[in-house]
Amino acid sequence: AQSVTQLGSHVSVSEGALVLLRCNYSSSVPPYLFWYVQYPNQGLQLLLKYTSAATLVKGINGFEAEFKKSETSFHLTKPSAHMSDAAEYFCAVTEGSSYKLIFGSGTRLLVRP
Amino acid sequence: DAGVIQSPRHEVTEMGQEVTLRCKPISGHDYLFWYRQTMMRGLELLIYFNNNVPIDDSGMPEDRFSAKMPNASFSTLKIQPSEPRDSAVYFCASSLRGTGSYEQYFGPGTRLTVT
Repeated sequence: AQSVTQLGSHVSVSEGALVLLRCNYSSSVPPYLFWYVQYPNQGLQLLLKYTSAATLVKGINGFEAEFKKSETSFHLTKPSAHMSDAAEYFCAVTEGSSYKLIFGSGTRLLVRP
Repeated sequence: DAGVIQSPRHEVTEMGQEVTLRCKPISGHDYLFWYRQTMMRGLELLIYFNNNVPIDDSGMPEDRFSAKMPNASFSTLKIQPSEPRDSAVYFCASSLRGTGSYEQYFGPGTRLTVT
């Protein structure tokens, strides 16, 4: 079965610093991959998705992620953190041909002033 | 579009009571998902429907939980009887198969507290 690993339940960066949130998946068959963001007391919002087109995917709010098949990774980055980026971020992957998404355990991003 | 709509946003009930959570998916979407989110277990898929038919309910924790989708624009998740360990945020999400991209759109969630 497919699984998703997000390294680090909490990541803390200074405002203006690089953001790097890590995600690894288990399947040998490249799946579709997603990053979602959850702000406090809200639902999950799609940040970006990889669907077998370009390996570097750009999303909203200046975030991007790179699909690396050899590393089975889909890490999320942003060059310069903003206070408004503080939230929880979830990596998700499709499971086979079903329409289920398998979610990682989430990484809470803290942005220090 | 109004997005996925869930009601109520907050529900507080006593142990043993019946709880019904409601969801209206995005118009035209043919997949509907129910998730539960807790600090301990993270985000768990409970059940999902395709064209109003339950496809996979393997995540439903026990017989106290049931879900229905009587039509394309409405679904319910019922807990009877409720227990304190059911306290969580319950999300509904919908998706459109025709796009081929599998992305799901989430509602704002229902925060359930069982005392």
